[in-house]
Amino acid sequence: AQSVTQLGSHVSVSEGALVLLRCNYSSSVPPYLFWYVQYPNQGLQLLLKYTTGATLVKGINGFEAEFKKSETSFHLTKPSAHMSDAAEYFCAVSSGGYQKVTFGTGTKLQVIP
Amino acid sequence: SAVISQKPSRDICQRGTSLTIQCQVDSQVTMMFWYRQQPGQSLTLIATANQGSEATYESGFVIDKFPISRPNLTFSTLTVSNMSPEDSSIYLCSVLSGTGIYEQYFGPGTRLTVT
Repeated sequence: AQSVTQLGSHVSVSEGALVLLRCNYSSSVPPYLFWYVQYPNQGLQLLLKYTTGATLVKGINGFEAEFKKSETSFHLTKPSAHMSDAAEYFCAVSSGGYQKVTFGTGTKLQVIP
Repeated sequence: SAVISQKPSRDICQRGTSLTIQCQVDSQVTMMFWYRQQPGQSLTLIATANQGSEATYESGFVIDKFPISRPNLTFSTLTVSNMSPEDSSIYLCSVLSGTGIYEQYFGPGTRLTVT
């Protein structure tokens, strides 16, 4: 069984400030972890993923996430928020291969000018 | 990667009618998924559609309400039958694609409003 918890359904940051979106997972097997972004009126786009190997994963648009097994976390960060980062972000987990992906409830990021 | 298109992009339908949503992928994929995203909520998996076999439905979803077709490796349809306002949602088609490490790709979604 697997699950994902995203802390904070809404996060507001000032433009240029650090973005931190929190994700904790539960999985009975080594997890594959993903962050997706959904812009208004669009489908989901993969930001980054962790499968194996290096625990710090870099994605598109300057985002990165660190897999911390001891904390069962996969938080998403970006050093400096841009207005274009305003979107909804979903953390997801799977056990790899053709296994079902389980999504968190999403965090809506607002960037304040 | 995989590029997915969906038709229609949005529709407004009357209660009691049915709508068929089409999903087209630019490459052959084994597994396709249909999700529902209700306003302000996360994604809920409706069913998994593999070519050549019956779709597998998640708990709370039934074939009579959401019949799915998967005639080939690049196409699928989802029908929302006998619609009610509670069916107003975004419906997303998704596929697994890749070699070794599979990634999930999503279509742009179909925004359905039932009046």
